[in-house]
This record gives sequence, C-alpha cells and structure tokens, in this order.
Amino acid sequence: NAGVTQTPKFRILKIGQSMTLQCTQDMNHNYMYWYRQDPGMGLKLIYYSVGAGITDKGEVPNGYNVSRSTTEDFPLRLELAAPSQTSVYFCASSTTGDVYGYTFGSGTRLTVV
Amino acid sequence: AQSVTQLDSHVSVSEGTPVLLRCNYSSSYSPSLFWYVQHPNKGLQLLLKYTSAATLVKGINGFEAEFKKSETSFHLTKPSAHMSDAAEYFCVVSETGRRALTFGSGTRLQVQP
Repeated sequence: NAGVTQTPKFRILKIGQSMTLQCTQDMNHNYMYWYRQDPGMGLKLIYYSVGAGITDKGEVPNGYNVSRSTTEDFPLRLELAAPSQTSVYFCASSTTGDVYGYTFGSGTRLTVV
Repeated sequence: AQSVTQLDSHVSVSEGTPVLLRCNYSSSYSPSLFWYVQHPNKGLQLLLKYTSAATLVKGINGFEAEFKKSETSFHLTKPSAHMSDAAEYFCVVSETGRRALTFGSGTRLQVQP
C-alpha cells in the first residue's frame, strides 16, 4: 500500500528557478496538505485542499502555489526559488479533515543556493 | 489561537530507563492533542491521540500520554526506553473545526546504550 508518495526526495535549486513538488495519494482522501519543516522547528502549513478544485492558504503560503485537479494529486509549485525556501516539505492527506487519520509522505528535502 | 510548547529540544536517556517528553498547549477551545514521531529521513507517524475521551491515552510501542487540563499539559512517557525509540517527537494540537494541525518545535530523543 503506497499511502502518500512524494517526489523528488531531494532537490537543489538555484535562486530564481522554478520547480514542482509532486504529491499523490491512493487512499481516496479528500483532504490534502503541504507543510514545511525548517531546522529545529515544527511543521508549518503552506496550503491545503478539501477536495478536487478547492484549495486554501495556510500559515506560510507566500512564494508557493498549488492546484488540485484530481483527488489523488496535490502538487506544490515554487515559481521563483529563494534561499528562505530551503526546507523539508511534507505532504499529508486525511479522510474527513478532522485530525484523525493524517497520513504523511516521507518528505522532499529542498535546498536553494 | 492554538499553540504548542515542547519544553525540551533534546532529551537523552539510557536504554531501559523511563522517558518523559514534556508538552504544554494553549487552546481557546477543547483541543485534540497528538504525539507524532519522526525517524531520520522518514515521514511522521502517529504515536497516540487525545480527543476528549479518557485522559490517559495509550499509543503504539509502549508510549502513553496524560491530558491534564488544569496544567494544560500533554506529556509523553514510556517506562523503559529502547534504542529504536531514538527519533524526533512532535506534540501537536488541533481545535475542533480547524482544518490543520499546529506543531510544536520537536524534541529529539537520544537513547544511550
């Protein structure tokens, strides 16, 4: 059972470059989330989605965009990478949006140089 | 607004001795509280959760946590540490109706042989 799959696992970007972090889940979860984890910190919510076609900002959305065209996929887009976006990014999904049953991906470690 | 404070950034114990990881929370409403564990280069795994039922919550791998409303605490304990318990632990809070989790900054548990 795959659960939540994130790609790539590691990436180095140059300042100003763009990239998309991929996230897909095979559990038919309606709710999906993107978090970032900075060194020595807890996770902070970037964006979330309550279903296909519906997305909303979290705590730290600046510099990111998301889309949700299908239930399974929730890509995170960085348009103009900045060193402040160096972080580990986690995608998660859940059934009801309540906190039961959060499933996390294994993360994408992004470095912007 | 909800917040979480993990009182220790690092905890070191000897194998076979008790573990105590401390967490205080702030919430305007009746919160749900969680402990997640993150092993190196892995995603987050749910250890246990409190959702207004029994105040003493048992989780996986022998971990327990007690919800104390008067102290606004949710400390994580384990009677006897194992080497495999070495990881990062996150205390997490969510209020009813909120769509996402608020993470503490994490406690790194080291287990010495």
